Amino acid sequence: QVQLQQWGAGLLKPSETLSLTCAVYGGSFSDSSWSWIRQPPGKGLEWIGEINHSGITKYNPSLKSRVTMSVDTSKNQFSLRLTSVTAADTAVYYCARVIWGIRGLIVRVKYYYIDVWGKGTTVTVSS
Amino acid sequence: QSVLTQPPSVSAAPGQKVTISCSGSSSNIGINYVSWYQQLPGTAPKLLIYYDSERPSGIPDRFSGSKSGTSATLGITGLQTGDEADYYCGTWDSSLIAGVFGGGTKLTVL
Repeated sequence: QVQLQQWGAGLLKPSETLSLTCAVYGGSFSDSSWSWIRQPPGKGLEWIGEINHSGITKYNPSLKSRVTMSVDTSKNQFSLRLTSVTAADTAVYYCARVIWGIRGLIVRVKYYYIDVWGKGTTVTVSS
Repeated sequence: QSVLTQPPSVSAAPGQKVTISCSGSSSNIGINYVSWYQQLPGTAPKLLIYYDSERPSGIPDRFSGSKSGTSATLGITGLQTGDEADYYCGTWDSSLIAGVFGGGTKLTVL
């Protein structure tokens, strides 16, 4: 059973860089894609992006200019960096496992869902 | 502003049934599978439904999902006080090339 353990700095000043890491225990690191999702206080979920074991990434267009994700396959870990943070980046940040693919032979339909979530890291940006 | 639209809140009495809607477009729900998540207070979300209507192991059949066109629906029957939570729909948006979620619906079991 896959478990995710995440860590990183919880208090940042405006303009600093957010850095979080997530370790994957159990399962196959190379068979999955890995995602970061955040949730501002009292608000909904926001997909930040994803990375696979080869380091191929997809980012939320609204955050793309500030986001970098990386992977360390030797440690079964993946990381998130978000530069130039502001108060609007204050949120709980979750690492997660993505299950995605295409079903169907004639009508091909994409599936994309999160089946394992980390416990979340609260990140506060304040001067 | 979320790409997928959900009602902010729904409520029903214990034992009753409730439905939560999720409206999208032809670039997301209209062509890709929908998933649903339950988030109990102070915890990480949990997968409830995938492939529009499939339940992971351990999810009771009181929870169901359906889809028609560019809208999806989560149904919960036999409501329990323990079902009080926020519920989110999610899918892939093939135009944005990104994962997308609804804004969430808070379920109150009166």
